[in-house]
This record gives sequence, structure tokens and C-alpha cells, in this order.
Amino acid sequence: GAVVSQHPSWVICKSGTSVKIECRSLDFQATTMFWYRQFPKQSLMLMATSNEGSKATYEQGVEKDKFLINHASLTLSTLTVTSAHPEDSSFYICSVSARPDNEQFFGPGTRLTVL
Amino acid sequence: SQQGEEDPQALSIQEGENATMNCSYKTSINNLQWYRQNSGRGLVHLILIRSNEREKHSGRLRVTLDTSKKSSSLLITASRAADTASYFCATDADTGGFKTIFGAGTRLFVKA
Repeated sequence: GAVVSQHPSWVICKSGTSVKIECRSLDFQATTMFWYRQFPKQSLMLMATSNEGSKATYEQGVEKDKFLINHASLTLSTLTVTSAHPEDSSFYICSVSARPDNEQFFGPGTRLTVL
Repeated sequence: SQQGEEDPQALSIQEGENATMNCSYKTSINNLQWYRQNSGRGLVHLILIRSNEREKHSGRLRVTLDTSKKSSSLLITASRAADTASYFCATDADTGGFKTIFGAGTRLFVKA
């Protein structure tokens, strides 16, 4: 399967700052990447679908201006949490998938802690 | 809203026993997948079963799918302590798009 990396693996920041998380598909050209958020002991909640070369599709309830997604190439998507607040503290996971199988390959996740 | 719901939410068994986890979903699907997540880590894909399949095996894993009941089960045979993890089912809803919705997950604890 595809190898997906995320950077950083964890980050601690002060409230009000912006944090950028990178998701890289190391051996797979991903036209579509997904961003999920997971709170402790809960399931993954899809935040947005990132499409290479076009705007991301956000799920209902996810603020586009707060969670900026850029999918500039077939191997890189970035999620920027702008003006982060403590309630944004979570585990953020990206994944890639290919047609037509739709099996997803996940990154190791990024743990964000906002103080 | 989430598509899949797992049952039970938590399961504790002895090493060597079998573990069965169930998943129910609400709408038509193209396929259903099972994933495993160790604490604080990313997800690992276990099995994908398509809507026209009824059963699939992979090593000690057996997955069944009943589209008439909109349910699936994951059986882990001869469990090991290393199987301790959270297990999630995920469905690709038949909307024409590639959006996968995850269930709440089952936390499995295998005691050595």
C-alpha cells in the first residue's frame, strides 16, 4: 500500500497562533487526500476532502476559514489551523486513496495541543 | 452523521479466544472496510469487502457482510495480546464520491 507521512507528529502551540500540518504521499500520486480529526477515545470525523489543483470540499460544520487546506501537488496536502484555540486540540490524520478501490492509506497522525 | 456503528463499544477477552465485532450502517454502500488503530497512532487497513461479497478472509481475520441487514462483522480468531487496539468499520456511501465514514469503533483488549 501507499506510504503516507505527516509532519509534525506532534505540536504544542499558544492560543491564537497558526499551525501547519503536512501530509505527504511518499510513493503514490494522490489526486485525493482526506483530513480527519479524532478526539480522545472517539472515532475519526472527516473534516474535508482535498483535491489536487482545486478547492477542498469541507464537511458540514467545519469552518473553511479556520482549517485551510492546500493540495498543491499530487504528493502533498497541507492543513493549516488558523488562530488555534484550546478546543482545536486534537489528533489530525490524513489519508490518501486511489480509484477505483477506495482503500485508504493513513498517515501516522499529528497531535495538536493548544495551550 | 456517522454511517457505521460498532458493537460492542469495548471488548475484553483472554489470549487465544476469538473476538467478534459488529458494525451496522444506514445507507447503501459500495464497500465496507475494517481498520485497526493502536493508541495514539494512525489507522491500518485490515480488509475491504465489496457490496457484492458476503465473506472475506485474511489470516486470522474473517469479515462478513450482510447488505440486507446493513451489517458486517469482524472475527479475529486465536487472539493475541498484540491484537489489543481499537477497530473501526468504515463505509463508502453510495453517493458517487469518495467519502468514507467511520463508525464509533470497538476497543478490544486481549489479556495475556
